[in-house]
Amino acid sequence: GAGVSQSPSNKVTEKGKDVELRCDPISGHTALYWYRQRLGQGLEFLIYFQGNSAPDKSGLPSDRFSAERTGESVSTLTIQRTQQEDSAVYLCASTDGRLRQGYEQYFGPGTRLTVT
Amino acid sequence: GIQVEQSPPDLILQEGANSTLRCNFSDSVNNLQWFHQNPWGQLINLFYIPSGTKQNGRLSATTVATERYSLLYISSSQTTDSGVYFCAVEPGNYGGSQGNLIFGKGTKLSVKP
Repeated sequence: GAGVSQSPSNKVTEKGKDVELRCDPISGHTALYWYRQRLGQGLEFLIYFQGNSAPDKSGLPSDRFSAERTGESVSTLTIQRTQQEDSAVYLCASTDGRLRQGYEQYFGPGTRLTVT
Repeated sequence: GIQVEQSPPDLILQEGANSTLRCNFSDSVNNLQWFHQNPWGQLINLFYIPSGTKQNGRLSATTVATERYSLLYISSSQTTDSGVYFCAVEPGNYGGSQGNLIFGKGTKLSVKP
């Protein structure tokens, strides 16, 4: 079946502008995650949605970052007043349940954000 | 919070060679996964292995949860194995964020023809 999809694949924006990144999880997956990967680095957790529970926002680096999810479908990550340090690949993942119950995460191809 | 350390950070192999990648973690875990990030950036699931041993073709993995480490074995390496291998864990005691994976910094593997 279809995997996790993300759009756009690449985004170049000027410093100070707002950007929206989109993630379509695997159909039926209840959990959705956003991560950030800076060049040559590992993945940093940003935010986690599990069903209808309140999202875990503990990884968001500043109040310029926010995310929404409509039910158990599409999610949008918004970065306001972008800064050059926001340049990174933003990865979305989904699972069919809770990780502690043994469900694997599946990742999308990412959105490469460049702030000039 | 939990620390995840991978070694070696970089590895260069000749095609056909075998290798072992290591992941140490500092606390109990509920979930451990190995991923391969290919040169195009896509993360591909290799193993879900919070304990025990699994094999998939030329790849196998072993996690010894009581000793807090996991090993990924690559046999008869091929140039297509190049990329970055990540170990990621979900802490078992709700330390820090819960429900998400904590990633190591990865092992960058280059397989030369």
